[in-house]
Amino acid sequence: DVQLTQSPSFLSASVGDRVTITCRASQGIANYLAWYQQVPGKAPKLLISAASTLQSGVPSRFSGSGSGTEFTITISSLQPEDFATYYCQQVNSYPLAFGGGTKVQVK
Amino acid sequence: QVQLVESGGGVVQPGRSLRLSCAASGFTFSDYGMHWVRQAPGKGLEWVAVIWFDGTIIYYADSVKGRFTISRDNSKNSLHLQMNSLRADDTAVYYCAREERPGSGWPVPPFDSWGQGTLVTVAS
Repeated sequence: DVQLTQSPSFLSASVGDRVTITCRASQGIANYLAWYQQVPGKAPKLLISAASTLQSGVPSRFSGSGSGTEFTITISSLQPEDFATYYCQQVNSYPLAFGGGTKVQVK
Repeated sequence: QVQLVESGGGVVQPGRSLRLSCAASGFTFSDYGMHWVRQAPGKGLEWVAVIWFDGTIIYYADSVKGRFTISRDNSKNSLHLQMNSLRADDTAVYYCAREERPGSGWPVPPFDSWGQGTLVTVAS
């Protein structure tokens, strides 16, 4: 089974900061990785698929990269609405798995 | 627009059963693979189960295998999760989620639509 390790688990940042979150897979998964954003009390929202494809309507300040076992999501200039928890998900093989999450909080 | 509405959550004693449902609308339900994902209070997301668009392929997480059964009724645009032998660590918000594109297969499409979730609490 593929396990995903996200780092950091918590990240304190300010509006305007550049933020990068890393997701490492226990084995190669090509580019079969997605990123989600979740705000408290709400369902997750798909941001990025296939490691780097931005979903329609997602601001261009979000970007994803990586392949194989190491992936990143970057927010180029953090906005107030971006304070949330971010999860990676591998869709290479079953059982699917999510990373443990990265909570982006106000510094 | 796509809408997924879960129901059936509640408080249940350990060892008992519960059946969750997810009513789908706004898209051709029979074209899409569907998943259940859960989130324990204050914890991360855990994938639970998938059923392909035509119901022919099903997979489960090891944590629920043998206890939970996913099913769908394409004539009624509904997805179900039968949960038996419930344990305290099954306590979570359960979400149904739709794959991003029609026609299940490989690679697995990520989830572009989610319901609002239904809370299952297993406690005596």
